[in-house]
Amino acid sequence: DGGITQSPKYLFRKEGQNVTLSCEQNLNHDAMYWYRQDPGQGLRLIYYSQIVNDFQKGDIAEGYSVSREKKESFPLTVTSAQKNPTAFYLCASRPGGGGLHEQYFGPGTRLTVT
Amino acid sequence: GENVEQHPSTLSVQEGDSAVIKCTYSDSASNYFPWYKQELGKGPQLIIDIRSNVGEKKDQRIAVTLNKTAKHFSLHITETQPEDSAVYFCAASIGSNSGYALNFGKGTSLLVTP
Repeated sequence: DGGITQSPKYLFRKEGQNVTLSCEQNLNHDAMYWYRQDPGQGLRLIYYSQIVNDFQKGDIAEGYSVSREKKESFPLTVTSAQKNPTAFYLCASRPGGGGLHEQYFGPGTRLTVT
Repeated sequence: GENVEQHPSTLSVQEGDSAVIKCTYSDSASNYFPWYKQELGKGPQLIIDIRSNVGEKKDQRIAVTLNKTAKHFSLHITETQPEDSAVYFCAASIGSNSGYALNFGKGTSLLVTP
């Protein structure tokens, strides 16, 4: 069964704690992305990676960190420096290669920080 | 950076009627325009996309039109069904210069009533 998996579906943390969200894909896609979604808002780009061991900041990278040690995995760490971490986090992947734009999304992780 | 505006924010239609959602973008370098459908608590699903060298694309009951001069594109759903009820997002990408990252509109909540 191919696709993008994100775990867990719901995550609860206390303020001041770092938390890592998992994103795994078995589609052999080169590029992976993290977006954040707030109620009534579109998706906003946090980080993206086009190749293993390389990643770029998106529009709202402050307070987040990522790693890309394996092609199939792109974990996102929400640090205590992120002022408003409660949100729905979505991971996406893209096949890579020139001209291949299509991004496919995972089911998301809803993070609640209190 | 790219700014994508989407209208309307909510849309209610009767089953069998057509629904139209419109988006405008600001960056003339944008060359890829996907539409996503998101059901409650799930990740967005790519339903149709169009590239800048094409004016219109159709897939069964769904069609997308692009006007590059005016920098706007639209989603048309014909013969709507209750299962079309969801939030729809438009997006735009400038391609390789931004890692093929997507800039999203804020979404349209479509309700199809029987």
